[in-house]
Amino acid sequence: EIVLTQSPGTLSLSPGERATLSCRASQSVSSSYLAWYQQKPGQAPRLLIYGASSRATGIPDRFSGSGSGTDFTLTINRLEPEDFAVYYCLQYGSSSLTFGQGTKLEIK
Amino acid sequence: QVQLVQSGAEVKKPGASVKVSCKASGYTFTSYYMHWVRQAPGQGLEWMGIINPSGGSTSYAQKFQGRVTMTRDTSTSTVYMDLSSLRSEDTAVYYCARDDGGNYVPVNWGQGTLVTVSS
Repeated sequence: EIVLTQSPGTLSLSPGERATLSCRASQSVSSSYLAWYQQKPGQAPRLLIYGASSRATGIPDRFSGSGSGTDFTLTINRLEPEDFAVYYCLQYGSSSLTFGQGTKLEIK
Repeated sequence: QVQLVQSGAEVKKPGASVKVSCKASGYTFTSYYMHWVRQAPGQGLEWMGIINPSGGSTSYAQKFQGRVTMTRDTSTSTVYMDLSSLRSEDTAVYYCARDDGGNYVPVNWGQGTLVTVSS
């Protein structure tokens, strides 16, 4: 099973700043099958990025994903108040999907 | 538009089983795989398994092998997740999520079903 480790656990930033979230895999993620989700309290997760760098439908271009192999990054430029939430990475390149433990992005 | 509507909250005793349903609409039911993902209170997301609504084939996370069964009813466009031998650690919100039709990435999510296991 591929283990995903996200860092940092909590990120404290102000609106307008840039957020950089990391997701590291215990082994190479096949074909960059890595996705990012945003989750707000009481809501289902929302797909932001798939294929490591492709934005899902309707996702603003301030969200971008990069990386390959075992190291992946989600960058959020010019943070908006609605961006403060928990973010999860997911690898779907193996027969058993796995999520990272999440990064909480909070308002400083 | 794609809609996934899940069944209501459940309270179960340890050792019992629970069956959660997920009714799909707004697309061709048999053309997209369906995942099940759970989230314990205050915790992260955990993938449980996937079902192909077309033929009914399934793949489960090793952790749930032997305890989970995923089925579908094509006549009602509904998928089901049955979890047996419940324990307190199974208390969680259970989500169904439809994939993207190509690479198995969950895209559209149901509203979630809270299952509480308590004596």
